[in-house]
Amino acid sequence: GENVEQHPSTLSVQEGDSAVIKCTYSDSASNYFPWYKQELGKRPQLIIDIRSNVGEKKDQRIAVTLNKTAKHFSLHITETQPEDSAVYFCEPGRRALTFGSGTRLQVQP
Amino acid sequence: DSGVTQTPKHLITATGQRVTLRCSPRSGDLSVYWYQQSLDQGLQFLIQYYNGEERAKGNILERFSAQQFPDLHSELNLSSLELGDSALYFCASSLSSGQGELFFGEGSRLTVL
Repeated sequence: GENVEQHPSTLSVQEGDSAVIKCTYSDSASNYFPWYKQELGKRPQLIIDIRSNVGEKKDQRIAVTLNKTAKHFSLHITETQPEDSAVYFCEPGRRALTFGSGTRLQVQP
Repeated sequence: DSGVTQTPKHLITATGQRVTLRCSPRSGDLSVYWYQQSLDQGLQFLIQYYNGEERAKGNILERFSAQQFPDLHSELNLSSLELGDSALYFCASSLSSGQGELFFGEGSRLTVL
């Protein structure tokens, strides 16, 4: 099956700083790379995704970069705000079967 | 609102009992996934159905079973419950089986005492 590693497991930043979370996968056939955000007590929700034919995608303060050769993709959050505090999961499988272990991001005001 | 409905939201039961969790996917979505999330843990894939047929199976215990009905709603049955089964159980749906956004329900929180 797919081996997925997500780092770091916890990340604490000051408001306004940038945060980067990395996800490494093993299945070279993966071609869809989403990131989900789960706020405390809530359901996971898609925040950004990228397909294998592009290397980077941006949506306001959030971006995802993909390196298919090295089999990793990263979530970048700029100008972090307290409401960015949550757990973030990557999911690099082709069939939504394997999520990363999650990164707990804490943005300090 | 994701369009995915899960019931019940909360459930408290005793060890050895059996419970059924229900999920109604988004209108038009054919694929239903079940995940288990224990306290401060990640999302563990249990099982996937696509248009009524089992499509993929994760580390689902033999005490657990699921099905998807002709109207595409799904049920997850958990039997001979143990303390360690206490968790948040999420259902998610997607249009197809494979890549594409997953829409999660609010989850069913199961507490086994």
